[in-house]
Amino acid sequence: RKEVEQDPGPFNVPEGATVAFNCTYSNSASQSFFWYRQDCRKEPKLLMSVYSSGNEDGRFTAQLNRASQYISLLIRDSKLSDSATYLCVVNLGSQGGKLIFGQGTELSVKP
Amino acid sequence: SAVISQKPSRDICQRGTSLTIQCQVDSQVTMMFWYRQQPGQSLTLIATANQGSEATYESGFVIDKFPISRPNLTFSTLTVSNMSPEDSSIYLCSVVTGTRSYNEQFFGPGTRLTVL
Repeated sequence: RKEVEQDPGPFNVPEGATVAFNCTYSNSASQSFFWYRQDCRKEPKLLMSVYSSGNEDGRFTAQLNRASQYISLLIRDSKLSDSATYLCVVNLGSQGGKLIFGQGTELSVKP
Repeated sequence: SAVISQKPSRDICQRGTSLTIQCQVDSQVTMMFWYRQQPGQSLTLIATANQGSEATYESGFVIDKFPISRPNLTFSTLTVSNMSPEDSSIYLCSVVTGTRSYNEQFFGPGTRLTVL
């Protein structure tokens, strides 16, 4: 079993749609959780940290369920510019800054 | 967040040669890391670059193949030694700035390496 698993993609949605990404992690000792966005041939960019109480940033909402070891990202009113690969990332904390990356889910927003 | 630069941005190298990649940050950072992203794959941590001491390598990565230096809090190098085509990847450095307790990491632009 992979340490971080994401929905297989790609997701093809029309502009304005709401899209949800799901992610599960296997190590219950994981301490920090993130969503990164990676555009084609670019480095990953931090989209959101995911807090235990859930958090929202504009059209983006992240949720964490520690009991189920589950993380989600919701994008509302999707824009063409949201097209990218979304990476679910977990930090074990106890090993310093080691990040474990999911395989990524590709999102394509069409006009 | 810190401004991170990497040199070179890309290179094409011959089998058996070595390449040193530089990572420069515009401010002092607490932690620096080196990752590899193979074609079509996600990122894998190679090692933690420790300032003034030997790097800490992840399983599957060894110092002889990927020697790392970190002489100060703003600079690190990764060398890919005795390269083979399987080393063709994007190599990225990342940093933790230490300004937030959540240990958010920020990535450099990457070095795209092709080994012939």
